[in-house]
Amino acid sequence: AQSVSQHNHHVILSEAASLELGCNYSYGGTVNLFWYVQYPGQHLQLLLKYFSGDPLVKGIKGFEAEFIKSKFSFNLRKPSVQWSDTAEYFCAVSWGRGGADGLTFGKGTHLIIQP
Amino acid sequence: DAGVIQSPRHEVTEMGQEVTLRCKPISGHDYLFWYRQTMMRGLELLIYFNNNVPIDDSGMPEDRFSAKMPNASFSTLKIQPSEPRDSAVYFCASSQGQGRYFGAGTRLSVL
Repeated sequence: AQSVSQHNHHVILSEAASLELGCNYSYGGTVNLFWYVQYPGQHLQLLLKYFSGDPLVKGIKGFEAEFIKSKFSFNLRKPSVQWSDTAEYFCAVSWGRGGADGLTFGKGTHLIIQP
Repeated sequence: DAGVIQSPRHEVTEMGQEVTLRCKPISGHDYLFWYRQTMMRGLELLIYFNNNVPIDDSGMPEDRFSAKMPNASFSTLKIQPSEPRDSAVYFCASSQGQGRYFGAGTRLSVL
């Protein structure tokens, strides 16, 4: 079955530390990859997305993610985190071309940034 | 555009009562999705529509759950009868192609 794994359920970092959140999906073929962020008490927002082309994708708020096809991975990175990055981060994948097929979400990673 | 609009934002009800959650997608979007978020299971897709037609409802947990989309600008998710284990945040999202635009969610508490 199609699945998305986020291995780090909780991550605690200090401000200015570098961040990398892992995301792996179950099998290949054509994939569309997303990272969403949910700040405390708020709704989900799209951070970045990958459909095709350059596997290094830049998103909002200084985030980026790299698609590595051979590793079935789409890890989220930020070189220097801020206290305001404290949030829940969700990786999501849809398989197949075009359309808006159902997304499969990972369970999320709760990121806490300590001042 | 005001984005995806969900109502109510919070719903508290008693076990056995009927609950109706509402969603207004972004104008022009032809896909609409209903998700449920819980601590234990994370985000789950319940059902999605394309051009008002249900495409995949395999995520709907049981017959107590039903969803409708009578027109392009409105959808409902109904739970009847509600149970405490239905307590969760329910998100509606819409899209036109890839990506999703999420509503603010409805926090449902079933006592």
